[in-house]
Amino acid sequence: KAGVTQTPRYLIKTRGQQVTLSCSPISGHRSVSWYQQTPGQGLQFLFEYFSETQRNKGNFPGRFSGRQFSNSRSEMNVSTLELGDSALYLCASSSHGLSYEQYFGPGTRLTVT
Amino acid sequence: GESVGLHLPTLSVQEGDNSIINCAYSNSASDYFIWYKQESGKGPQFIIDIRSNMDKRQGQRVTVLLNKTVKHLSLQIAATQPGDSAVYFCADHGLYSGAGSYQLTFGKGTKLSVIP
Repeated sequence: KAGVTQTPRYLIKTRGQQVTLSCSPISGHRSVSWYQQTPGQGLQFLFEYFSETQRNKGNFPGRFSGRQFSNSRSEMNVSTLELGDSALYLCASSSHGLSYEQYFGPGTRLTVT
Repeated sequence: GESVGLHLPTLSVQEGDNSIINCAYSNSASDYFIWYKQESGKGPQFIIDIRSNMDKRQGQRVTVLLNKTVKHLSLQIAATQPGDSAVYFCADHGLYSGAGSYQLTFGKGTKLSVIP
């Protein structure tokens, strides 16, 4: 089985712009969750989508949003980028949800200048 | 300005010795706990998990212990190998009232270095 893939792997954006990141889960997995990893805050949960619905959400501002398509692929959007949004953004997929084994992708490294 | 990085606890062990990595969690209602391994440049990799109705679970060379009384989790790695060198994170799954939904909350991580 192919693993979780994320595109792009690296991205450089300017403050104030918006960005969309993509995640393709493992075939058959219906849950996709997103995480932000920074040196200062560590790994933090953003949100989880299951069958095209946002099921769980972390403590991030509304500038962070996402969606999931009928094929379980997911996108994450960050609007009005701030310097502090520079991070590694990870997605993970799971067969049933957050309380089951999560398979992580390699991440998208976002740099905001 | 300069970003302040996490000061990761570091554990150095001799190859062949056993390693114990500890983690504290804060949510007494958490029902599921996981250990992940992250190597440089890669996403976290699942190692082992345990549900709140258990206090011990064993895998291949790894054991997780859960003490709900003191909200403590530990990962034991037997016969540590150079390939075990990585950052190890614990995570707990629980309902957080502030967010009003379930979350995975991660520990800050421990860097394990194996000395050949």
